[in-house]
Amino acid sequence: EPEVTQTPSHQVTQMGQEVILRCVPISNHLYFYWYRQILGQKVEFLVSFYNNEISEKSEIFDDQFSVERPDGSNFTLKIRSTKLEDSAMYFCASRRGIYNEQFFGPGTRLTVL
Amino acid sequence: QQPVQSPQAVILREGEDAVINCSSSKALYSVHWYRQKHGEAPVFLMILLKGGEQKGHDKISASFNEKKQQSSLYLTASQLSYSGTYFCGTDTSLAGGSEKLVFGKGTKLTVNP
Repeated sequence: EPEVTQTPSHQVTQMGQEVILRCVPISNHLYFYWYRQILGQKVEFLVSFYNNEISEKSEIFDDQFSVERPDGSNFTLKIRSTKLEDSAMYFCASRRGIYNEQFFGPGTRLTVL
Repeated sequence: QQPVQSPQAVILREGEDAVINCSSSKALYSVHWYRQKHGEAPVFLMILLKGGEQKGHDKISASFNEKKQQSSLYLTASQLSYSGTYFCGTDTSLAGGSEKLVFGKGTKLTVNP
């Protein structure tokens, strides 16, 4: 069964460093998302992406964040200058159409020291 | 605005039933239910679209009351494997079929032998 994959599973970085989190959505899906979950809290929406552009973003998704779909299969989230409060689990999700369910990847745990 | 889930936590013995509620202050287009086990990604359970339908598979079902802007998840004859945190994700797009899901804080379900 096709699934969303994410790499790396765990990333440790120093405050101020740039990180890139990678996702490979399910191949025939058209809508892509990033969510984050701080330990013990709810899942929070960051950004949605459709037709090679951002379609919606939350207040969390400020100028330090960017997304790209560089080659038609990967979907990346870049954090330019990480802060301590960026430490969280980051989930990528994809869906075939807007009336379909979202499938989540296994997540990348980001730890900012 | 995030949906409100209740209860926050519930403890059951194997074989008992549970109901988890999700209500929104905004009109809902659809409700998505997920279960998340500790350290894992949310796993899709079901999606309910506007129209007040009820859905189910196996011993897990859900209802969606569009007028009351709420959904309920029903777990009958609970099994140990049902343990986890249940999240509802809501889509409040007036146009129908928004981009993002807004998740509630979750209901932690523990099933004991």
